[in-house]
Amino acid sequence: DTGVSQNPRHKITKRGQNVTFRCDPISEHNRLYWYRQTLGQGPEFLTYFQNEAQLEKSRLLSDRFSAERPKGSFSTLEIQRTEQGDSAMYLCATGQGMNTEAFFGQGTRLTVV
Amino acid sequence: KNEVEQSPQNLTAQEGEFITINCSYSVGISALHWLQQHPGGGIVSLFMLSSGKKKHGRLIATINIQEKHSSLHITASHPRDSAVYICAVFRMEYGNKLVFGAGTILRVKS
Repeated sequence: DTGVSQNPRHKITKRGQNVTFRCDPISEHNRLYWYRQTLGQGPEFLTYFQNEAQLEKSRLLSDRFSAERPKGSFSTLEIQRTEQGDSAMYLCATGQGMNTEAFFGQGTRLTVV
Repeated sequence: KNEVEQSPQNLTAQEGEFITINCSYSVGISALHWLQQHPGGGIVSLFMLSSGKKKHGRLIATINIQEKHSSLHITASHPRDSAVYICAVFRMEYGNKLVFGAGTILRVKS
């Protein structure tokens, strides 16, 4: 257990439904990253936060994706109108400041049917 | 071309063999992570380094900043080392965003 918690661990949803994932970081970590990983690939960057500010959002992230970190602690990633291509593992990683070790959650595996 | 390239993509070894996984990157970095991912998704940090060499048990990681290259070595490999090994770099631009390689799938046979 790295101390980074992601919920749910697994989510199966029908195409067109909205889903929301949550990441709870290690308490003093001000950096929080979201990544997406498909089978056989390394994680792809989606977005990241420093405290509550969203510093960058990947071009991979369509308008259907939104992430928040309202109080600089936990973060949510919402996918609206899910598509089968959204099926992947969604990973959260957190760190304390720049150039510090990143700690990863167990991920949320999304399956869109 | 990906910013972080790993080789080999797949590696099968016999128990006891010395294993090397390579990582090359094309961008300016401030540090590099070696990560281990077991089936089921969990990622664990093995090393974070910005220069030289680090050792932990049977694992050794080296980095050459000038050549933009890092290696992960596993001595006396064991079947429990079977996992995906991922290299990730902190890019100096873009606020030190972590960028990942595709990973190396390692299988150690007994």
